Amino acid sequence: EAEVAQSPRYKITEKSQAVAFWCDPISGHATLYWYRQILGQGPELLVQFQDESVVDDSQLPKDRFSAERLKGVDSTLKIQPAELGDSAMYLCASSLSDFSTDTQYFGPGTRLTVL
Amino acid sequence: SQQGEEDPQALSIQEGENATMNCSYKTSINNLQWYRQNSGRGLVHLILIRSNEREKHSGRLRVTLDTSKKSSSLLITASRAADTASYFCATDAYGAGSYQLTFGKGTKLSVIP
Repeated sequence: EAEVAQSPRYKITEKSQAVAFWCDPISGHATLYWYRQILGQGPELLVQFQDESVVDDSQLPKDRFSAERLKGVDSTLKIQPAELGDSAMYLCASSLSDFSTDTQYFGPGTRLTVL
Repeated sequence: SQQGEEDPQALSIQEGENATMNCSYKTSINNLQWYRQNSGRGLVHLILIRSNEREKHSGRLRVTLDTSKKSSSLLITASRAADTASYFCATDAYGAGSYQLTFGKGTKLSVIP
C-alpha cells in the first residue's frame, strides 16, 4: 500500500539554526498538507498545496517558516531560525483532491526538538 | 484553533470492554471524521460520517452524529490491546477556497491486556 514518506524522522537542533523537512506524498495526490502537532494536542494546519500552488498558508509564521512544492510532487518545509517554541511533531499528509470527503493520508512525521 | 473537543481526555479499560469517546464541535459541518494515532506516529483515518447521516459502522467501530447537539461519538467494541492509541475527531470547514480539517485535542485510550 502506498504511503506518505517523510524525512528525517527525528531532528534535534539548537535555536537560531535552520532546519528543513521533506515530504513525498502518495503518487497522484494533488493536495498536500503540512501540520504541526504540539505534544498533547491535535494537528494544526500550517500550509496546504494544490499541485504546486499554495491554497492556504494563513497559519504559517511567514517570518521564519517557508514551504514549497515546486513540481507539484514532493515538498519541503523550512524553519529559519528555529525557536524553542517550534519543538513539535511536523506531519505531512496528502489526498487525491481537496474535496471534503477525500481521505487525508498522513506520513510518520518528523519530531523536532529545539534546544 | 481547535474546533472539536474530545471527551474524556484519557480513558483506561480492560481488554474486551467497549470504549466510548465523544466529540463536540462549534460550527456547522459537512462531514466529521475520526482518526487514530499510535504513539509518536502519523494519523490513520478510521471513518467519515456525513452531516446527513446519524450512524455509521465499520468493523468494531460505531460512529454517531447529532448535528442538533453538534456532537459525535466513537464506540470501539470488544477492545484489544492494539487499540491503545489517541483518537481525534476532525471537522471540515470551507476556507481559503478549499475544505480543511480542524482536529480536536484527542482522547488517549489505554487498553489493558
